[in-house]
Amino acid sequence: NAGVTQTPKFQVLKTGQSMTLQCAQDMNHEYMSWYRQDPGMGLRLIHYSVGAGITDQGEVPNGYNVSRSTTEDFPLRLLSAAPSQTSVYFCASIEPPYGYTFGSGTRLTVV
Amino acid sequence: SQQGEEDPQALSIQEGENATMNCSYKTSINNLQWYRQNSGRGLVHLILIRSNEREKHSGRLRVTLDTSKKSSSLLITASRAADTASYFCATVLIQGAQKLVFGQGTRLTINP
Repeated sequence: NAGVTQTPKFQVLKTGQSMTLQCAQDMNHEYMSWYRQDPGMGLRLIHYSVGAGITDQGEVPNGYNVSRSTTEDFPLRLLSAAPSQTSVYFCASIEPPYGYTFGSGTRLTVV
Repeated sequence: SQQGEEDPQALSIQEGENATMNCSYKTSINNLQWYRQNSGRGLVHLILIRSNEREKHSGRLRVTLDTSKKSSSLLITASRAADTASYFCATVLIQGAQKLVFGQGTRLTINP
């Protein structure tokens, strides 16, 4: 099983550019989430989804959009990249009552 | 604001010793989870303890939960060099769609 797959692994953007971080899971999990991790910090929730067609905001949603058209995919869109969005982004899915399965992350640098 | 706070922020011990990390949180929870993150990698789920449980074991890991003190501890026994990593506690609040709220983590170094 592939689990949670994130692409790309690394990305450099210029300020103002837009891009989409891809996340796919093959475990048929309903719940999926996006987190960002800044140096020396824990993870902060950006957006989450409880199923196809249903998304909601987390702790730090500004500057990001999500959609959930299928159970498998949960892309994260940066609308107009800013240096403050330089971070490592993790996608995760969960089948309660078990723990989350995380992707390997996307390291994003905005210059 | 983050729900959990780990203590200590960094811990360095000799191989074979036991490592204890603590986590405190602020609001009522449904469950608490511990994750490990090796440098530059994603997080790996270690163990989940529900709010009605007080202790749980998994291999060399022992987790306790004290809901009256809003705290949890993770004990790693007989540590190995491969245990070197950052360890995070994360809580699932009673109200919420399985949203994890993370602490800032404990950086554990096992010296050979």
